[in-house]
Amino acid sequence: AQSVAQPEDQVNVAEGNPLTVKCTYSVSGNPYLFWYVQYPNRGLQFLLKYITGDNLVKGSYGFEAEFNKSQTSFHLKKPSALVSDSALYFCAVRDFANDYKLSFGAGTTVTVRA
Amino acid sequence: DTGVSQDPRHKITKRGQNVTFRCDPISEHNRLYWYRQTLGQGPEFLTYFQNEAQLEKSRLLSDRFSAERPKGSFSTLEIQRTEQGDSAMYLCASSSDRNLHEQYFGPGTRLTVT
Repeated sequence: AQSVAQPEDQVNVAEGNPLTVKCTYSVSGNPYLFWYVQYPNRGLQFLLKYITGDNLVKGSYGFEAEFNKSQTSFHLKKPSALVSDSALYFCAVRDFANDYKLSFGAGTTVTVRA
Repeated sequence: DTGVSQDPRHKITKRGQNVTFRCDPISEHNRLYWYRQTLGQGPEFLTYFQNEAQLEKSRLLSDRFSAERPKGSFSTLEIQRTEQGDSAMYLCASSSDRNLHEQYFGPGTRLTVT
């Protein structure tokens, strides 16, 4: 079965500093990987996806993610964090056999301090 | 594009009562998903509709849970004889065939069973 793990429950950074949120995956076959963000009292919002192609994927709000097959990782990055980036971030993987099913990690709470 | 809407946003019920939640997907989206999210966890897949057909139901859903999507538009999720363990956030998402990997989530319905 496909799964993702987010090893950090919380990430704290100062505004203007680089932000990294870690995700590792376990899949059979080629991975389809995603990042979503959840702001308080709002639904999950799609940030970016890796299906195939370049290992560096660019997404919404200045976020990008680097796919690393040898390390089975898909870390989310932002060069310069903003206070408004404070939210709950989820990594997800698509089921190999069923293209509609996403499996999410437990989430990482990001706090960006001014 | 008004996004995915869910109603109600909050529901408090007593154990043993039945509850029903509604989800209105983005109008042109033919795929609709229900997830459940508990505190400290990522969303867990519950069920999936393609148009009006329910194509998969997770083992997480007991026989007390039923979902429908008449006419392939809005969907309802009913929980009969609620239990305290049903307390969670119930999320609805939708996507299109053209962009099936990007699921758009509603704000969720938070259920509290007392």
